[in-house]
Amino acid sequence: GAVVSQHPSRVICKSGTSVKIECRSLDFQATTMFWYRQFPKKSLMLMATSNEGSKATYEQGVEKDKFLINHASLTLSTLTVTSAHPEDSSFYICSAGVSYEQYFGPGTRLTVT
Amino acid sequence: QQQVKQSPQSLIVQKGGISIINCAYENTAFDYFPWYQQFPGKGPALLIAIRPDVSEKKEGRFTISFNKSAKQFSLHIMDSQPGDSATYFCAASHNTASKLTFGTGTRLQVTL
Repeated sequence: GAVVSQHPSRVICKSGTSVKIECRSLDFQATTMFWYRQFPKKSLMLMATSNEGSKATYEQGVEKDKFLINHASLTLSTLTVTSAHPEDSSFYICSAGVSYEQYFGPGTRLTVT
Repeated sequence: QQQVKQSPQSLIVQKGGISIINCAYENTAFDYFPWYQQFPGKGPALLIAIRPDVSEKKEGRFTISFNKSAKQFSLHIMDSQPGDSATYFCAASHNTASKLTFGTGTRLQVTL
């Protein structure tokens, strides 16, 4: 149980384009989902907290107009990186919360050329 | 107040040995302390977690020891195996559905 999927697992896009990443909780409903960014050999950096049906709460320093988050249902949250640039290249990971526990997706490797 | 300090940064243990990773926190409101295991290119996987009402929790070869007064908790991996080679993150949170504060991670290598 408690499986979280992400799609796509890898994406390469050109600078200036937008990319959407989906996060789904497959066997449970999650009122809260989280989006993280992870640089090589570093810890996870929380970008935003997403609650179903309401606006996401962004961490300090994260541009909400650049990283659009939509939590349309109890099993789906999406992260859209708008007008991507090479510095946005990173490993993006979502998690879904059930009570205290958070279950993570497998991550999406974004490369912006 | 929100930091979780983790040590060591890296650890090499022989097969069959005990791996010990330590974390310390400052925020006394934290009441949930999970450990995650992450392999390269994968998302973190919940390994084991503890609430402050107990001082120790064991699941298989993995044990969390928790010291509330010292605001410290640690992960012990008994009989370490090469397959345990991964990065381990401690974390802490308070309240349900609350964001996790992560430690900086420990890269564990278990040698033959």
